Amino acid sequence: DGGITQSPKYLFRKEGQNVTLSCEQNLNHDAMYWYRQDPGQGLRLIYYSQIVNDFQKGDIAEGYSVSREKKESFPLTVTSAQKNPTAFYLCATEGGTRGTDTQYFGPGTRLTVL
Amino acid sequence: SQQGEEDPQALSIQEGENATMNCSYKTSINNLQWYRQNSGRGLVHLILIRSNEREKHSGRLRVTLDTSKKSSSLLITASRAADTASYFCATGSPKTSGSRLTFGEGTQLTVNP
Repeated sequence: DGGITQSPKYLFRKEGQNVTLSCEQNLNHDAMYWYRQDPGQGLRLIYYSQIVNDFQKGDIAEGYSVSREKKESFPLTVTSAQKNPTAFYLCATEGGTRGTDTQYFGPGTRLTVL
Repeated sequence: SQQGEEDPQALSIQEGENATMNCSYKTSINNLQWYRQNSGRGLVHLILIRSNEREKHSGRLRVTLDTSKKSSSLLITASRAADTASYFCATGSPKTSGSRLTFGEGTQLTVNP
């Protein structure tokens, strides 16, 4: 898990609520990523940011929003528009410039909708 | 869409045996990486092989890449119970196509003591 922290570890949300997942890194990496993982599945990219104040949608961005005001932080908001948000959310960083080099992952946040 | 597809989906072996997992992909790549995930945890990078490399070793890990067949294999030798985890391949595409990693759905490896 290294220099990437995610909080909280477990999060419970009522239907209709927005919740924000935190991701902080001290690796001085430019690029940060948010992935969603469903049980027994691989990772699907939600949003990514290659530099401060810039971010792009991934494959499943609908119902999610992000910000990148600081290099160290890339929070993910799961909005009420995301109809099936129960999943394991992973944040990652990458220090290269091509976006295809080694990624370093945080420990994850497990979100459950009640 | 998931470019990488791992095979098998699940593998159960005895301690000391070798474990082989395969990954196939569809488009051209810069590199292919293998990651490991223990249950309920984040992914840990194991090894990266570039598109101009054919084989790479790291400890008990051996990775091969065949770009003509668009496939890779991960061999874990002399497996241990602690190797029990899910293993994912991830492909990195050329920058001009919006570079980022694409993960497969993983192979669940169980090593029985």
